[in-house]
Amino acid sequence: DIVMTQSPDSLAVSLGERATINCKSSQSVLYSSNNRNHLAWYQQKPGQPPKLLISWASTRESGVPDRFSGSGSGTDFTLTISSLQAEDVAVYHCQQYHSTPRTFGQGTKLEIK
Amino acid sequence: EEQVVETGGGLTQPGGSLRLSCAASGFTVSSKYMNWVRQAPGKGLEWVSVIHDGGSRYYADSVKGRFTISRDESKNMLYLQMNSLRVEDTAVYFCARDATVAGTRYFYMDVWGKGTTVTVSS
Repeated sequence: DIVMTQSPDSLAVSLGERATINCKSSQSVLYSSNNRNHLAWYQQKPGQPPKLLISWASTRESGVPDRFSGSGSGTDFTLTISSLQAEDVAVYHCQQYHSTPRTFGQGTKLEIK
Repeated sequence: EEQVVETGGGLTQPGGSLRLSCAASGFTVSSKYMNWVRQAPGKGLEWVSVIHDGGSRYYADSVKGRFTISRDESKNMLYLQMNSLRVEDTAVYFCARDATVAGTRYFYMDVWGKGTTVTVSS
């Protein structure tokens, strides 16, 4: 199984500042047949289910604010929130869908400093 | 609006059984890949099982032989029969739909329910 490791486990950022969350996979999730990274990011607010934010490592879902961006390729990926808002407090999860079984990172808890 | 709603969680003893249900609206369960994903208290997400539109079923090693995923096309429902439950199966169980892009199914999830809580304890 592909192991997904996120860092840090928790993060406190001031309102309006940049938040960066990392996700590393134990093997590449770049699919050779389509040259795309099979990596998704989810946001899970307290008491709520996960919400899909980003697919293909960098494609925002419809309605997701443009302060959220995803980057990276192969085994190293980053979710960046350019200017933290109060409503962004959540746990963020990365997930690979390159190989079965699909696997998730352990989650990163983002709080306001 | 496309949505799913899970029911059926509860408290049971080790070795017991539960059946979770997932009611879908706004789309047809049998035309999608449908999953169960769980989250143990204070832990990350763990994929449990998927049923493909063609009927193929797959399971995480941790539940293989104990859990069975199924669907009822007439009711537009997804189910998870959980037998021989263990303390480590305690979690919130989410029903989630795999994304379809340009007619191709991909293994990331774009519709999630709010979850139902399963507690296994003596």
